[in-house]
Amino acid sequence: AQKITQTQPGMFVQEKEAVTLDCTYDTSDPSYGLFWYKQPSSGEMIFLIYQGSYDQQNATEGRYSLNFQKARKSANLVISASQLGDSAMYFCAMRETNAGNMLTFGGGTRLMVKP
Amino acid sequence: KAGVTQTPRYLIKTRGQQVTLSCSPISGHRSVSWYQQTPGQGLQFLFEYFSETQRNKGNFPGRFSGRQFSNSRSEMNVSTLELGDSALYLCASSFRQGFTDTQYFGPGTRLTVL
Repeated sequence: AQKITQTQPGMFVQEKEAVTLDCTYDTSDPSYGLFWYKQPSSGEMIFLIYQGSYDQQNATEGRYSLNFQKARKSANLVISASQLGDSAMYFCAMRETNAGNMLTFGGGTRLMVKP
Repeated sequence: KAGVTQTPRYLIKTRGQQVTLSCSPISGHRSVSWYQQTPGQGLQFLFEYFSETQRNKGNFPGRFSGRQFSNSRSEMNVSTLELGDSALYLCASSFRQGFTDTQYFGPGTRLTVL
């Protein structure tokens, strides 16, 4: 079974609008971390935001927020006020405590921001 | 602080050759992980080194190996290259191994095998 599922291969959003990128995960580990990364066409993976399994509040980092619904095992990324520079691939990833430092990635979502 | 650096950025090799990729982590980071990214398989974990010891290994053949030096710099080696080894190889570093620790990635090495 897929550990991280991103069901949206590609999405369009109008500049200045908000967009939600979906991520669901599967783990039996009670302690885990969820991460979102952005990968522009240059290839570098840029860390955006982190959510721990025991965190009570949803994480926020500037225009990025993580909508964490533990019971539903979802960790959706919300980008507010989209900018043209937000056009990129976005990856959801999970690290489980019994897997060392290994990140398991989803298949990614390509976001395209329209002017 | 300088970010994670990887050298070389681009490589072209032929089948059967071997290749060595280098990664310098963020200063103070002791954990270095390697990932392979291909269009077909996505991002897959290769291995992780912490304090010069391999702590975790992904599901890759023995042709893929790595090591870490005392200054935390890491190298990965691929022997007897195959066409399917063409990929973006990403290195990531983190301070520790806690599941809360963020991994920061380098720009990657794009390997093309002809």
